[in-house]
Amino acid sequence: SQQGEEDPQALSIQEGENATMNCSYKTSINNLQWYRQNSGRGLVHLILIRSNEREKHSGRLRVTLDTSKKSSSLLITASRAADTASYFCATDAVQGGSEKLVFGKGMKLTVNP
Amino acid sequence: NAGVMQNPRHLVRRRGQEARLRCSPMKGHSHVYWYRQLPEEGLKFMVYLQKENIIDESGMPKERFSAEFPKEGPSILRIQQVVRGDSAAYFCASSPRQGLTEAFFGQGTRLTVV
Repeated sequence: SQQGEEDPQALSIQEGENATMNCSYKTSINNLQWYRQNSGRGLVHLILIRSNEREKHSGRLRVTLDTSKKSSSLLITASRAADTASYFCATDAVQGGSEKLVFGKGMKLTVNP
Repeated sequence: NAGVMQNPRHLVRRRGQEARLRCSPMKGHSHVYWYRQLPEEGLKFMVYLQKENIIDESGMPKERFSAEFPKEGPSILRIQQVVRGDSAAYFCASSPRQGLTEAFFGQGTRLTVV
């Protein structure tokens, strides 16, 4: 079953602008991760935030987590054309007897030069 | 230390044929997860294996699909009698322990059924 849902599903911005993506989930989590996927390529791990953390930074990335609202946001500052990709949030969930990552459908970001 | 290696990267099969997808985990990783990604969708869990054991196959279709992770060699995802709906990208991830907080994903195998 789907756990994370990204919002918006698609976003188009100009280079230099900031991009914000939101993720909502349904059940309790230990951590939440964000991944990037360039068209037709594999997944690149961006950042992991634990349930006891509220905010985390990595370069131009800023992730927040609000466990009371079961939501997370990913902010990419000063976007570049190379940031064009699909972005997924993934939460850990114990389903079917084992812990696994449950992914949202993803959000397509287009950064126009 | 090479990353997670999947091969082939692209695989074309006719309907009714068999597809075999391979995943070599990172060195020292004994836990392997397989995911499937349909076009314009997120990744959906299929199966979780440890060496010589299937731990959780709750996401795998009951028919035509099987997976193994032998003591020696890569993990194999096998799809028998492929149908057009099997066309997707198949990703594997490996981890040194259960859970995916330290997992690394391969580049995926893109299966096209014609």
